[in-house]
Amino acid sequence: DSGVTQTPKHLITATGQRVTLRCSPRSGDLSVYWYQQSLDQGLQFLIQYYNGEERAKGNILERFSAQQFPDLHSELNLSSLELGDSALYFCASSPRDWIYNEQFFGPGTRLTVL
Amino acid sequence: EDKVVQSPLSLVVHEGDTVTLNCSYEVTNFRSLLWYKQEKKAPTFLFMLTSSGIEKKSGRLSSILDKKELFSILNITATQTGDSAVYLCAVEAEDAGNMLTFGGGTRLMVKP
Repeated sequence: DSGVTQTPKHLITATGQRVTLRCSPRSGDLSVYWYQQSLDQGLQFLIQYYNGEERAKGNILERFSAQQFPDLHSELNLSSLELGDSALYFCASSPRDWIYNEQFFGPGTRLTVL
Repeated sequence: EDKVVQSPLSLVVHEGDTVTLNCSYEVTNFRSLLWYKQEKKAPTFLFMLTSSGIEKKSGRLSSILDKKELFSILNITATQTGDSAVYLCAVEAEDAGNMLTFGGGTRLMVKP
């Protein structure tokens, strides 16, 4: 158990819908990262927040957005869902963002879009 | 664009064998290379290799980084069935936050 929690574990929804995935980082970690893992694309970085501020952005779709709240938990919002958005979404956290530090991954949320 | 390529794609060995997993990378302003093990769900951290730490060892697992040739290897000796997993390699660049670029992984199956 990494100490990173994600809810829900599973999510099944229909195309066109909007969902919110939630992540709580390890105690004391200031950075939160979101990754998408699909069979054809592997593990892809989406976005990083550090202490409430956006720090780095990957190939995140415009339909996706995220934020990190004052209590450091983060939410990833996915809207206008398409079949291709079905994937495992991971959140990870690390203590700081400007020195070497490993990222600890949560258990993931499996999203199925029907 | 940063790139990470892992080989082989998959590997089947028997308990007690030694395996070597490969990771080559192209990254602008390299900062670190990380190895993760992914069993059923979340990747779990194994090693981080940097310019100041190019060799790491933990029990039966060890890893080296060759910054000149831009590759890393992960060795597992005396493999056990519990080593069966997908092993992921990722790189981190300077001036890119801490985003990780992952390779496609090597799927290792260890048979009894």
